[in-house]
Amino acid sequence: DAMVIQNPRYQVTQFGKPVTLSCSQTLNHNVMYWYQQKSSQAPKLLFHYYDKDFNNEADTPDNFQSRRPNTSFCFLDIRSPGLGDAAMYLCATSRPTWGRGGGGTDTQYFGPGTRLTVL
Amino acid sequence: AQTVTQSQPEMSVQEAETVTLSCTYDTSESNYYLFWYKQPPSRQMILVIRQEAYKQQNATENRFSVNFQKAAKSFSLKISDSQLGDTAMYFCAFVLRGEYGNKLVFGAGTILRVKS
Repeated sequence: DAMVIQNPRYQVTQFGKPVTLSCSQTLNHNVMYWYQQKSSQAPKLLFHYYDKDFNNEADTPDNFQSRRPNTSFCFLDIRSPGLGDAAMYLCATSRPTWGRGGGGTDTQYFGPGTRLTVL
Repeated sequence: AQTVTQSQPEMSVQEAETVTLSCTYDTSESNYYLFWYKQPPSRQMILVIRQEAYKQQNATENRFSVNFQKAAKSFSLKISDSQLGDTAMYFCAFVLRGEYGNKLVFGAGTILRVKS
C-alpha cells in the first residue's frame, strides 16, 4: 500500500545534541510537510517542500532545518534540541491538483509521527 | 483572517448512538476544501471525510457524514452508530491557498470519547 513512513517512531536525545528525523513516501506526492504537535494541540506547520522549493513558516525557529534529497525522502534536522522541542513530529504529503498556489484539492496524508523526547 | 473554530473541547457518546461535532470557519476564499481528520490515541492522523466547497451535496463516508452550510461557514461532522474505535481527537481543517503551496488550517480539535 502507498503510504507515508516515519523513522524512528520514538527518538530520545539529549539537550543540545543534534537529531534527525526521517520521512519517506510511496505516494509520489510532490509536496511534503513537517508539523510539530504538542500534547492535545493541533499540529503546527514548520515548513514544507513544494517539489524542490523549501518554504519556511515565519515563526519556525532557526534551530529547525529540513532537507529533501529526492521526491521520496524528507528530513527534519533539529540542530540543538531544547526541552521545549519535545513533541510529536508529523510528516505529511500531498499532490495539489491545481497549479502552484491554485487551491483546489490538496488532501494531506500523514505519517504515524515520531515522538521526540529531550532529556 | 483564515480561521477554524471547534467550540467543543471534549464530547462523550454512548456506543451505537449518534454524535455531532461542530466546526465553523472563516475564509475569504470562494472555492476551497474542508476536511475532518481523526487522530486516535496511537496518534496517526487519518482523513475521515472531505468536502468540496463548490458542491452543495454533503459528503458521506459510511457512518460519517457532514452538514455543510456554506453561507453560515459551518461544517459539522455526524458520526452514526458510534463505535469504541471512534474514540479520538477530531480536527476540522480547510486548505488555505498560498503562493508557495497550499496549507491546512486546523481547528483546536475535539476529543471524542465513546463509552460502552
